[in-house]
Amino acid sequence: KAGVTQTPRYLIKTRGQQVTLSCSPISGHRSVSWYQQTPGQGLQFLFEYFSETQRNKGNFPGRFSGRQFSNSRSEMNVSTLELGDSALYLCASSLFSPRGSNQPQHFGDGTRLSIL
Amino acid sequence: KNQVEQSPQSLIILEGKNCTLQCNYTVSPFSNLRWYKQDTGRGPVSLTIMTFSENTKSNGRYTATLDADTKQSSLHITASQLSDSASYICVVSALSGGGADGLTFGKGTHLIIQP
Repeated sequence: KAGVTQTPRYLIKTRGQQVTLSCSPISGHRSVSWYQQTPGQGLQFLFEYFSETQRNKGNFPGRFSGRQFSNSRSEMNVSTLELGDSALYLCASSLFSPRGSNQPQHFGDGTRLSIL
Repeated sequence: KNQVEQSPQSLIILEGKNCTLQCNYTVSPFSNLRWYKQDTGRGPVSLTIMTFSENTKSNGRYTATLDADTKQSSLHITASQLSDSASYICVVSALSGGGADGLTFGKGTHLIIQP
């Protein structure tokens, strides 16, 4: 069974640009969550989608947005990039929403975004 | 406030030795506790998930323990190998409250195994 696939793996952008990251979950998984990981803050929750609906959103500005398609693939978009957006962006898929579920999340290897 | 604290922040041990990583949490109401291993440049991989009623769970040379009364968990690695060099992240799931997705993440323990 194929794992979670994130593209691209690496991305370099400049301040003010926008970026779109893609995530293909494990087949059959309907929940897709996005996280930002930085050395100082660890993993921080961005948002979760389940069956094309945003179920939860973390404490990030409106520049961060996402969506999920009918095949469960998900994209996240960051507009007007800032230096502080440099991070590893991880996508995780699971059968059910993480809250209260005993099923593990399966993570992709992330997209390393660097802002110059 | 729901929090997950991991210790130590970093640890260096010699290959073949055992080590124990700690996780203390204040998340309530508790649903489950997860340990993940994250290799450099890769995404986290699930090691164990423990519910309230489980005290111990093993995955090969990794053994996790949970004391729900004291809200503490530990991850014990036996006979360490070079491939165990990674960050180990403790995550606690709440039935309500907690992070927006119900998960509270620790900042991880960075483990280095030296030959």
